[in-house]
Order: sequence, then structure tokens, then C-alpha cells
Amino acid sequence: DQQVKQNSPSLSVQEGRISILNCDYTNSMFDYFLWYKKYPAEGPTFLISISSIKDKNEDGRFTVFLNKSAKHLSLHIVPSQPGDSAVYFCAASGLTNFGNEKLTFGTGTRLTIIP
Amino acid sequence: ETGVTQSPTHLIKTRGQQVTLRCSSQSGHNTVSWYQQALGQGPQFIFQYYREEENGRGNFPPRFSGLQFPNYSSELNVNALELDDSALYLCASSRGTGGGELFFGEGSRLTVL
Repeated sequence: DQQVKQNSPSLSVQEGRISILNCDYTNSMFDYFLWYKKYPAEGPTFLISISSIKDKNEDGRFTVFLNKSAKHLSLHIVPSQPGDSAVYFCAASGLTNFGNEKLTFGTGTRLTIIP
Repeated sequence: ETGVTQSPTHLIKTRGQQVTLRCSSQSGHNTVSWYQQALGQGPQFIFQYYREEENGRGNFPPRFSGLQFPNYSSELNVNALELDDSALYLCASSRGTGGGELFFGEGSRLTVL
């Protein structure tokens, strides 16, 4: 049961243009969402997050939008740069069987920025 | 500030063997979570350790077990290895057990033959 879905395994974008990565979730109990970026041979690194009480969060070139009614979030990168080429994971925070929080990840989208 | 470190980075085992993976948490972090990332998949939550006790578990069998030590470092043990256990095992540390930003190590890539 894939509770967090990233339906685009890959995306190619010209340098300088906008990159839009999408994520859908099914569990309405998720209350916090995060995006992680992963380079080869490295662990995922935190990029940006958003609480379920907001619909937008911005940090420099990165903006995350949340549509709770549609259970959809997206990450916008403007302008895209070659260093943005990586795998991007969407993650949602929910409760474990002990009542604390854990992250549920999507399958990732490989973003390639074309110079 | 020292980041999360994991060892070994790569290892090869055969079916039925046992493996121990190690993780040192980032300084100041008291919680360690372990994730399994199979090829083409996102990381899947295995379990979390806080104050040297298991503090939440994902859908993994009991042959996956762990430890946390007083210095907050952690081990992941897998017994009776199966071919499907081949994956990247990621350790992540955090301050406290609440959901939010995790700091990941580079992972241990396990291949089971």
C-alpha cells in the first residue's frame, strides 16, 4: 500500500526554467510533509517542508505547495540549475505503532537539468 | 558538528547469514531511525530507537533487530538473510522522536547472494 506516490520517475528540464515535482498521498492523518534530495552515493538531505496548516512554504529558489483537499503537494524550483540534478523524495510524517512520528517516503523522481 | 556516519559502506553476504550494520548519530541527536531502500523504491521505515529502546517499528519481521547505545550510536542486525534483503540501509538521526527533519548517513549497501 503506497501511501505516498510520486508518479513521475524522471523529469528533464532546461537550465533556467522551472522544475515542478509532484507528489500525492492517501492518508489524511499525515500532518507534515518534507522534500529530500539525494545525490548518488550520499544519503538523502532535507530540502524544504510544509505543515498541513499551510498551503505554501518558500525558501529561496524552492517553493512547496500543499493542496489538502486533493491530497497533493508539489515542489517548484526556479530557476533550475545543473546542481539541482538529483533524485527528489517526497515524505510525509505520520504516527508509528508507538504513537511517535515516522516518515513515509515516495519512490522518488530523478530530476535532470539540461545545460 | 559531526554528521551521521555508517559502516560498512558496502558488504556482500550469502543467504542465511547474519549481518550487523553500524551508525553513529549526529552530535546532539538522541534518536536514531533505520530505513531500507530497495532498488527503485523510496526509503521504508524499519524502526526507531530512543533512550536505548525501540520506539516504533515498521512492517519488518523480527529477524530485523536493533540496539542503541548510551552514546546514541546504533546497530541494525538482520538474521537469516534473504535475497530480498539486498538494499541500501540508511540510518537517520534527529533531536527527539517527533516527525520532521531527519539527518541521514550515506548508507550501507548490502548485497545478499
